Amino acid sequence: SQTIHQWPATLVQPVGSPLSLECTVEGTSNPNLYWYRQAAGRGLQLLFYSVGIGQISSEVPQNLSASRPQDRQFILSSKKLLLSDSGFYLCAWSVPATFLVYEQYFGPGTRLTVT
Amino acid sequence: AQKVTQAQTEISVVEKEDVTLDCVYETRDTTYYLFWYKQPPSGELVFLIRRNSFDEQNEISGRYSWNFQKSTSSFNFTITASQVVDSAVYFCALSEGNRDDKIIFGKGTRLHILP
Repeated sequence: SQTIHQWPATLVQPVGSPLSLECTVEGTSNPNLYWYRQAAGRGLQLLFYSVGIGQISSEVPQNLSASRPQDRQFILSSKKLLLSDSGFYLCAWSVPATFLVYEQYFGPGTRLTVT
Repeated sequence: AQKVTQAQTEISVVEKEDVTLDCVYETRDTTYYLFWYKQPPSGELVFLIRRNSFDEQNEISGRYSWNFQKSTSSFNFTITASQVVDSAVYFCALSEGNRDDKIIFGKGTRLHILP
């Protein structure tokens, strides 16, 4: 069966510090991968998605970047965190669409607080 | 353009009551996919159901049921005999189905089941 891991679970970082959040998927090959952010009490905002190694699409221009160095690894980074980067970060994966679009499965999330 | 509207921001019901969560969507595509997700207090999004636009059959899974009406562009979710464990934020979502399988989420409905 497939599983998705995210770490760390919680993170408190000062403004201006770098960030690296990691997401890995097990039990599947060539998944689509996604990074979302959920601000407190708000909906989900898609940040990045990837359909393959080295292929990253950005949805919202901001202080973050993403990379996919391996098939089942997706990394969210920032060189200098802003207060507005605080939130709950969720990684998700899905089976690439063929004739159907499949649901996305989410990781446990990372709660980031920028102080 | 895609859009998902969950007009109910927050709902409170007493345990054992039935409750319906509304979802209205907009899309120009004739082929699309609808989803419901549950986000309990732990934060992880849990996939509940996927519905294809060409299948208007309603679905029942235990105490959960979904009513898909293309004529009104709605995909409503009913919980019968609600339980305290049903307390969560519920998200309705839409995908038009392409290579990246992006899903557009509604803003969510926070459901409180009171004992």
